[in-house]
Amino acid sequence: DQQVKQNSPSLSVQEGRISILNCDYTNSMFDYFLWYKKYPAEGPTFLISISSIKDKNEDGRFTVFLNKSAKHLSLHIVPSQPGDSAVYFCAASRGGSGTYKYIFGTGTRLKVLA
Amino acid sequence: NAGVTQTPKFRILKIGQSMTLQCTQDMNHNYMYWYRQDPGMGLKLIYYSVGAGITDKGEVPNGYNVSRSTTEDFPLRLELAAPSQTSVYFCASSYLAEQFFGPGTRLTVL
Repeated sequence: DQQVKQNSPSLSVQEGRISILNCDYTNSMFDYFLWYKKYPAEGPTFLISISSIKDKNEDGRFTVFLNKSAKHLSLHIVPSQPGDSAVYFCAASRGGSGTYKYIFGTGTRLKVLA
Repeated sequence: NAGVTQTPKFRILKIGQSMTLQCTQDMNHNYMYWYRQDPGMGLKLIYYSVGAGITDKGEVPNGYNVSRSTTEDFPLRLELAAPSQTSVYFCASSYLAEQFFGPGTRLTVL
């Protein structure tokens, strides 16, 4: 039973345009969500997080939106750059920001075309 | 500041062999984790630790053991390697929510 789903295995976007990566979850007890970016042969690196008390969080070109009623979050990257080409994972947890057990999605491979 | 370091980077094991994957962090984080990532899949939590001397099972602990004798080190032990343990293994550490990952160990069991 996959509690965190990223239904699009891959996405291609032109440089300068918006990239939208989606993530759905099934467990209504999840209250903290993170996005990670992973390049080949490297470990994931943290991008941005959001708590369930918010519906939006921004950090530079990256914005995460949370729709609790739909159990859906999305990561927007504007404008997209070739260096953003990577695999993006969403992760969810219960217990707020102080928890330590995350459920990861299967990832979406983003390719930004120059 | 090296962050999280993992050794070795690659390893090939024969069925039934044992090995220890090493993980060290220099950020004085209390929380440490071991994940495995199979092709096309997300990361699955194997074991985690909330501090020296305290460890607990994650989603997929069977076939693995861990210990946490110091804050810095969190080794993962495979006692009887099986082909199903072929994967990329990531160690991570955290103070709170943001986990810092090592570069991974690619393990093949033949």
